[in-house]
Amino acid sequence: DVKVTQSSRYLVKRTGEKVFLECVQDMDHENMFWYRQDPGLGLRLIYFSYDVKMKEKGDIPEGYSVSREKKERFSLILESASTNQTSMYLCASSLAVGPQHFGDGTRLSIL
Amino acid sequence: QQQVKQSPQSLIVQKGGISIINCAYENTAFDYFPWYQQFPGKGPALLIAIRPDVSEKKEGRFTISFNKSAKQFSLHIMDSQPGDSATYFCAASSRETNAGKSTFGDGTTLTVKP
Repeated sequence: DVKVTQSSRYLVKRTGEKVFLECVQDMDHENMFWYRQDPGLGLRLIYFSYDVKMKEKGDIPEGYSVSREKKERFSLILESASTNQTSMYLCASSLAVGPQHFGDGTRLSIL
Repeated sequence: QQQVKQSPQSLIVQKGGISIINCAYENTAFDYFPWYQQFPGKGPALLIAIRPDVSEKKEGRFTISFNKSAKQFSLHIMDSQPGDSATYFCAASSRETNAGKSTFGDGTTLTVKP
């Protein structure tokens, strides 16, 4: 079974801090994704990576950046955290075509 | 258009009943239509998926019905059980244009009452 592991289940940070969310997948998938999930808004794509060092903006990239130095690891960076970035963050991976495999999420609170 | 419209937003069904969730899409290039199930505290997980060369796919109590001409697909849960209570997302993607990216519906919260 594919395993997508997010480094933290819960995280509390302060406004203005630089925040790193880490995600690791163990199935050699080409694609990795970061989403945020808010009540009533579904899954919104922040960034997408289709190869090492390659990235593409999703629907809501403002205030975020990503890093993919190794195929199995995809990091989401909040450059200067703000309260409106309080949310559930989900990482996923997939082959070039096919279903996405999700981690269990990081619930991030910005105070 | 890349939208996938999902309805209803929430659904309450009695145990043993049929749950039906509908999705509609615009982009005729979409060629893969998965449904994901998400329990509280967990990430979404693939439940069942269909490609447009078939009109129906069944796995146990779960069935996807696909209508290519109407650009609609739906999830039917037969003999719904309290353990099916979860949030369900439909999605669509295209091998040609999206290369793995999916467009998700906004989700349906299903509650099955005992």
